[in-house]
Amino acid sequence: ETGVTQTPRHLVMGMTNKKSLKCEQHLGHNAMYWYKQSAKKPLELMFVYNFKEQTENNSVPSRFSPECPNSSHLFLHLHTLQPEDSALYLCASSQGHSNTGELFFGEGSRLTVL
Amino acid sequence: AQSVTQPDIHITVSEGASLELRCNYSYGATPYLFWYVQSPGQGLQLLLKYFSGDTLVQGIKGFEAEFKRSQSSFNLRKPSVHWSDAAEYFCAVARPKNNNAGNMLTFGGGTRLMVKP
Repeated sequence: ETGVTQTPRHLVMGMTNKKSLKCEQHLGHNAMYWYKQSAKKPLELMFVYNFKEQTENNSVPSRFSPECPNSSHLFLHLHTLQPEDSALYLCASSQGHSNTGELFFGEGSRLTVL
Repeated sequence: AQSVTQPDIHITVSEGASLELRCNYSYGATPYLFWYVQSPGQGLQLLLKYFSGDTLVQGIKGFEAEFKRSQSSFNLRKPSVHWSDAAEYFCAVARPKNNNAGNMLTFGGGTRLMVKP
């Protein structure tokens, strides 16, 4: 138990569906992240939120829409996805500000786009 | 831009044997370096980190890593591998913060460790 909880753990959706991934952290951290982990590719940073403000968008297509209503919750809204978007989506949190801080990861949401 | 290379995609070792996983980085300044482990179906867990000081750092689960500036390397080692160490291992480097924007880790491609009985 890392203190970062992701739901759902598994999601199958069609290309026309709209769904959301949820992440919640119970660690009192200030920063939250979405990473994408695809087969045979390095982990890709997608979004960073610090104190609820988006501070990084790593050229992510607009069919991925993040939302951070408070420092403890992070969502990733999905719509009109493509099969190549199938991947493990990892949420993480950290104490923010410092590069010396550790990232705490959730167990991931495994997304399959049909 | 920084980058991280893990030359070995797969490594198989016998239980009880020693282990070394390689990591090379490209970065213009003194980096902050990390090793994470990912067990099947799990997220990533921090094994150890290097920021400054002693170049040999100790981590959890009996792992250690040595920072070698001259070789731009941060190799992970364990003297005696256990079957439960089978997992994927990721090396990462942090790039400078931008307006307090949190931690920007760049990950290597990972090394999958298999342990033979």
